[in-house]
Amino acid sequence: KAGVTQTPRYLIKTRGQQVTLSCSPISGHRSVSWYQQTPGQGLQFLFEYFSETQRNKGNFPGRFSGRQFSNSRSEMNVSTLELGDSALYLCASSFGRGIDEAFFGQGTRLTVV
Amino acid sequence: GQQLNQSPQSMFIQEGEDVSMNCTSSSIFNTWLWYKQEPGEGPVLLIALYKAGELTSNGRLTAQFGITRKDSFLNISASIPSDVGIYFCAGPKFYNNNDMRFGAGTRLTVKP
Repeated sequence: KAGVTQTPRYLIKTRGQQVTLSCSPISGHRSVSWYQQTPGQGLQFLFEYFSETQRNKGNFPGRFSGRQFSNSRSEMNVSTLELGDSALYLCASSFGRGIDEAFFGQGTRLTVV
Repeated sequence: GQQLNQSPQSMFIQEGEDVSMNCTSSSIFNTWLWYKQEPGEGPVLLIALYKAGELTSNGRLTAQFGITRKDSFLNISASIPSDVGIYFCAGPKFYNNNDMRFGAGTRLTVKP
């Protein structure tokens, strides 16, 4: 079966702009989590969506938001981009019931200039 | 909060050698997951551990869930060049969600 698909793979944006990233989970998975990966901070949890509702949220400012659609696809939006937002953004999907295994996409590499 | 301390930070080994890395936490985890990440790719799940004391193998990889539930280790036997990458341990912050905490990673280099 198809894995987790993230688009686009690469993005270059200017400070102050906004950006939308997309994640299509594995078929049948209803939970999508988003992570930010940087060399300095490692992998950090942004938020998780399950059945179109944000279920958990990490410690990121309100400029980071997301949503999930009825087909479980999810989007993440970052407004008023800052240089420090440059990172690899990863999404992971799972069935979302109890503890189960999360599978990651290849990520979107965002560069803010 | 729940922090995962992963060691060593990096390893340089010769092909054929065995590798061992571990992860510890000051808090109890109910699940330990081990991932491998290669350059330009997302982390790939290697092994999932769900019970204290559990020992699980996946080919040349073996991982154990510590009895205290505060640690886990991953062993790779007879390493090969394609084992190169960054290995992460991870555990969910709470029992019933997918908010995971990750270790800082162990960067493995295998010399042929």
